[in-house]
Amino acid sequence: GNSVTQMEGPVTLSEEAFLTINCTYTATGYPSLFWYVQYPGEGLQLLLKATKADDKGSNKGFEATYRKETTSFHLEKGSVQVSDSAVYFCARYSGNTPLVFGKGTRLSVIA
Amino acid sequence: DTEVTQTPKHLVMGMTNKKSLKCEQHMGHRAMYWYKQKAKKPPELMFVYSYEKLSINESVPSRFSPECPNSSLLNLHLHALQPEDSALYLCASRTRDTTSTDTQYFGPGTRLTVL
Repeated sequence: GNSVTQMEGPVTLSEEAFLTINCTYTATGYPSLFWYVQYPGEGLQLLLKATKADDKGSNKGFEATYRKETTSFHLEKGSVQVSDSAVYFCARYSGNTPLVFGKGTRLSVIA
Repeated sequence: DTEVTQTPKHLVMGMTNKKSLKCEQHMGHRAMYWYKQKAKKPPELMFVYSYEKLSINESVPSRFSPECPNSSLLNLHLHALQPEDSALYLCASRTRDTTSTDTQYFGPGTRLTVL
């Protein structure tokens, strides 16, 4: 079936540290891949997306590359800020199947 | 503009009350969604409307009743809810254009508390 697995949190980093949040997906079909971010008390915001192999999505200093060979879409940022503290969800979408989310990773950045 | 709006932002209701959640988008999207999100969990799909017709109901109890009056509006009518229905209710929309990248855009949610 369709599934997304992302690293369990919480992740706690110091400001300006490098961030990686791992995400892998099942290879059924040719999914589009997404990272959504949820700040405390808010809804989900689209952070970035990629629709085919080797595409790189980027936004606000975050990047993720669609890796078909490893079925991965890891989220990275070179230097995190306190304002990046949030929950990050990896998700996949394929054809007319519903959007499938990972369990979410809570990131806390401390000054 | 990729905005989905939801009202109210917060709602407190008793188990005998009837209330409604409202969602609106003006992006011309023809697919609209209701999700339920409990704390520290990903969103769970409840309903999908495609071209104003209900296309998916994920076995949601009948105390939740969705309605899509037109292509821009989506309502969720609530009646005789239970305390365990307390959650963040999220609306989302997506274009059904075949050239789209299938991106769903979410609203800010309604925080529902059932007493």
